[in-house]
Amino acid sequence: AAGVIQSPRHLIKEKRETATLKCYPIPRHDTVYWYQQGPGQDPQFLISFYEKMQSDKGSIPDRFSAQQFSDYHSELNMSSLELGDSALYFCASSQRQGPYNSPLHFGNGTRLTVT
Amino acid sequence: AQSVTQLGSHVSVSEGALVLLRCNYSSSVPPYLFWYVQYPNQGLQLLLKYTTGATLVKGINGFEAEFKKSETSFHLTKPSAHMSDAAEYFCAVTLNTGTASKLTFGTGTRLQVTL
Repeated sequence: AAGVIQSPRHLIKEKRETATLKCYPIPRHDTVYWYQQGPGQDPQFLISFYEKMQSDKGSIPDRFSAQQFSDYHSELNMSSLELGDSALYFCASSQRQGPYNSPLHFGNGTRLTVT
Repeated sequence: AQSVTQLGSHVSVSEGALVLLRCNYSSSVPPYLFWYVQYPNQGLQLLLKYTTGATLVKGINGFEAEFKKSETSFHLTKPSAHMSDAAEYFCAVTLNTGTASKLTFGTGTRLQVTL
């Protein structure tokens, strides 16, 4: 079965650079979520989109922005990178089933290292 | 607001022994509860979920969990541990509000299985 695809798997950037992370949800999934997981930490919710509109916002820095496109893929744009942005970034997708969502299915993540 | 608390950041069991990973939740409305497993450098994989109906839910790899409203708990168990069960386990909650709702994770429990 198709899974959530994230690219790239690994990314190394320097401080103050920008980075773009991409997420391709499972086919027919209409909701995308972004999570940040620091070393030894639990995943922290950043932002989510439903039908290309932002549906919820968590602890996402103002330096970060995201969007969902017409084909439902999503991109997380990160500017003015800081050392503390080094983390594993997960994308997850789900599908509305009536009034509720199917469980979140996660990608394998993008490991971002800022030097 | 919703949250989950996982008791014990590290649990060690012998191969063949009972696995018990504890999770308590806090939620203002009926919750949906999940257990996810994360292997090193991989994404989160859904083990099992509780939404409505039967309070004892069975998941993959022989795991099961019981939703106990009176104890606000959703502990994960497996009768007999296998070496391949060594991983990080996250309990998660989302609200049953009828809208696309983010997952909130616990801090995780690292399961070690010894010979």
